[in-house]
Amino acid sequence: AQKITQTQPGMFVQEKEAVTLDCTYDTSDQSYGLFWYKQPSSGEMIFLIYQGSYDEQNATEGRYSLNFQKARKSANLVISASQLGDSAMYFCAMRALGNTDKLIFGTGTRLQVFP
Amino acid sequence: DTGVSQDPRHKITKRGQNVTFRCDPISEHNRLYWYRQTLGQGPEFLTYFQNEAQLEKSRLLSDRFSAERPKGSFSTLEIQRTEQGDSAMYLCASSFQGDTEAFFGQGTRLTVV
Repeated sequence: AQKITQTQPGMFVQEKEAVTLDCTYDTSDQSYGLFWYKQPSSGEMIFLIYQGSYDEQNATEGRYSLNFQKARKSANLVISASQLGDSAMYFCAMRALGNTDKLIFGTGTRLQVFP
Repeated sequence: DTGVSQDPRHKITKRGQNVTFRCDPISEHNRLYWYRQTLGQGPEFLTYFQNEAQLEKSRLLSDRFSAERPKGSFSTLEIQRTEQGDSAMYLCASSFQGDTEAFFGQGTRLTVV
């Protein structure tokens, strides 16, 4: 069975600083995808970044980068130069590729950015 | 196209009543998903459709829950005889087969009193 673990219920970071949100996963699949979503108070899940299990390079999207360590089964999200608008819930998720299309989510980390 | 649209945004209902939610996916997307999110948890998969075919249902989807996507476009999720435990945010997402990303709507928040 697939499982996502996010051990940080909440994180604080000062504006313009970098922050790392932790995510570990468990799967027996050889092919899988890892995702990070942002959920502001409005409720919508906003896609941030994707990493495929066979991608050799860490994914980057603007201020977001994914620190993928396959042997450790970790997929941490790094947000550089935090902004006040980054305050939200952040969810790590995975999907088995070529099997089912569903996403398995972690319990999330609430990030608060202060001035 | 402004993205995935869900209606209503909020619903308060009395225990035992039936409720129906609607999801309009992004127009060219052939896959549609329903998730449920309770307070303090991540979304949990309920079911998904490819075109009008319902390809997978979670064990979370009890007999009181039914989802349809009759013409492969919009979808409805109906909950019969609602219970207080059904109180949650119901999220809809859509994607195009083969694409990596699924786009989510803003959800329908259900409160059963």
